[in-house]
Amino acid sequence: DTGVSQDPRHKITKRGQNVTFRCDPISEHNRLYWYRQTLGQGPEFLTYFQNEAQLEKSRLLSDRFSAERPKGSFSTLEIQRTEQGDSAMYLCASSSAPGAAAFFGQGTRLTVV
Amino acid sequence: GQNIDQPTEMTATEGAIVQINCTYQTSGFNGLFWYQQHAGEAPTFLSYNVLDGLEEKGRFSSFLSRSKGYSYLLLKELQMKDSASYLCAVREGTSGTYKYIFGTGTRLKVLA
Repeated sequence: DTGVSQDPRHKITKRGQNVTFRCDPISEHNRLYWYRQTLGQGPEFLTYFQNEAQLEKSRLLSDRFSAERPKGSFSTLEIQRTEQGDSAMYLCASSSAPGAAAFFGQGTRLTVV
Repeated sequence: GQNIDQPTEMTATEGAIVQINCTYQTSGFNGLFWYQQHAGEAPTFLSYNVLDGLEEKGRFSSFLSRSKGYSYLLLKELQMKDSASYLCAVREGTSGTYKYIFGTGTRLKVLA
């Protein structure tokens, strides 16, 4: 068990480009979360999967954002037509059964120039 | 709605004890979690409370009062490496569907 893994760790992109991030949760964790964090703020909830089902999406997640977890294992978060305001750290976390804590990956730092 | 409040910044001396408070208002409460986050790194899990009372884990303890919507994290025998942000998070949800809502974090500076 190597913990939650995110790729890439850093991404610099030009405004208007599309980007995709990957998260590999701790094996056998059926719950997976995406968060966004900007400097000096706590993580903001974006979306949540239980197995392959996306159970909740924050209103922060505009239609430019989409997340998938096709086989209930790894997940991807795609941002289309990136804007400078999308610059942030994107964190993925996973947890097992109800009652367990969520464990975070190292995050993907996105910079939109 | 959801509202989680914690102090923005605290300063303490190496070897001392510090208490970081967190108050919350939320629906569907299902646990209070504390995470530590060093600058530029991911949050790491420290402690959680589901029932009222004190949970102790080495130098760290966390307390919860659900009726008051209040929790604190107590750090004893402070070390320089404890300088970090401490995030209070409420887990909310029902029927096995949960999400974690975070406060803005308390930046703790430990001075020699």
